Amino acid sequence: QKEVEQNSGPLSVPEGAIASLNCTYSDRVSQSFFWYRQYSGKSPELIMSIYSNGDKEDGRFTAQLNKASQYVSLLIRDSQPSDSATYLCAVNMRMREGSQGNLIFGKGTKLSVKP
Amino acid sequence: DGGITQSPKYLFRKEGQNVTLSCEQNLNHDAMYWYRQDPGQGLRLIYYSQIVNDFQKGDIAEGYSVSREKKESFPLTVTSAQKNPTAFYLCASSIVRQGNTPLHFGNGTRLTVT
Repeated sequence: QKEVEQNSGPLSVPEGAIASLNCTYSDRVSQSFFWYRQYSGKSPELIMSIYSNGDKEDGRFTAQLNKASQYVSLLIRDSQPSDSATYLCAVNMRMREGSQGNLIFGKGTKLSVKP
Repeated sequence: DGGITQSPKYLFRKEGQNVTLSCEQNLNHDAMYWYRQDPGQGLRLIYYSQIVNDFQKGDIAEGYSVSREKKESFPLTVTSAQKNPTAFYLCASSIVRQGNTPLHFGNGTRLTVT
């Protein structure tokens, strides 16, 4: 069973703090990993993609990937109330040998940033 | 501006009726997808298409049908055979259907069937 697991939260952090969101996945050969942000009632928007082990930084966001541990995380520095949303982790997984794979989404972690 | 347009935003139907959700993109993307999202759940793939006149079933295709007559358009029909059709439906596209290309989403259609 191909799975992407996330803690559903809610994760509550004070304004200005670092929010840490975690995701584990079951397919050890996965190569592509994405973080989407989804505001309540809206569609997901891509905020980060990562393909290699290590850290990738974009503004206040840092994605971290550890393929050996099958773990990907998203750090949000200097969290703002406007960051309050559900964050979806998505991992490309092959459903069958030889297939190109589909993006499998986790159920998301709800983040609440308190002023 | 390029993007994906889903219509309508809200749709109400009586049980037993078929309903078609529209999805149009002007991003010149080859691949298009339909996902379903239920409260507290992740996105589940219904159908996807890599090229015109070709489409494949996703994880939850039963009770749904699609067509891809034009590159820009990928409508989804929710048939009366779908047992629990009330959900948030998301259309997405990508440049090609490869694992390393991210999906871009439309604004979604919220379907309520009573």
